[in-house]
Amino acid sequence: DGGITQSPKYLFRKEGQNVTLSCEQNLNHDAMYWYRQDPGQGLRLIYYSQIVNDFQKGDIAEGYSVSREKKESFPLTVTSAQKNPTAFYLCASSISARLAGEQNIQYFGAGTRLSVL
Amino acid sequence: ILNVEQSPQSLHVQEGDSTNFTCSFPSSNFYALHWYRWETAKSPEALFVMTLNGDEKKKGRISATLNTKEGYSYLYIKGSQPEDSATYLCAFIRGNTGKLIFGQGTTLQVKP
Repeated sequence: DGGITQSPKYLFRKEGQNVTLSCEQNLNHDAMYWYRQDPGQGLRLIYYSQIVNDFQKGDIAEGYSVSREKKESFPLTVTSAQKNPTAFYLCASSISARLAGEQNIQYFGAGTRLSVL
Repeated sequence: ILNVEQSPQSLHVQEGDSTNFTCSFPSSNFYALHWYRWETAKSPEALFVMTLNGDEKKKGRISATLNTKEGYSYLYIKGSQPEDSATYLCAFIRGNTGKLIFGQGTTLQVKP
């Protein structure tokens, strides 16, 4: 089945620890995105990548890092510099980040819920 | 950060009622507007992509309109059913940035 796979579903982070959230897609999409959701707020963009080996900061990139070494994979690392990491994280992909219309529709994974111990 | 506002924040209706909610966005440098439906324990799924002023899109009992000059989009649900219960998100793209800016969503609960 084609889609976006996020793992793990639940993740716990200890103080000072870096943790990595996995996102894999088999849709052959060029663009991938990471969003964070906090209660009562909309999805906020952390990082996005329009093509392999390229990525840009979103609106709340501080304390996070990403890589895009393969088209299928866009892992997100929550570093110890992120002081308030508890949130629900969603990964998404689209055919292209630049075209209007249907090519820009985002397909989402099931999410990872991160909590701090 | 640009603001995308959705109203109301939540809505409770009876089965069979028709309902509508609003997405407001900056009217300058409009590129596209997306609507997504997010059911509990599932992933958000796209409903509509709207790019032109005056666009009207329809999918079954759900339809949407777009006014880019005044910066709003309406989502209508005719004859709501319990399976319509979900959070409805709109997302605005300004210019050719590739970045979606989401509203906080409208949560709809349809009672049988």
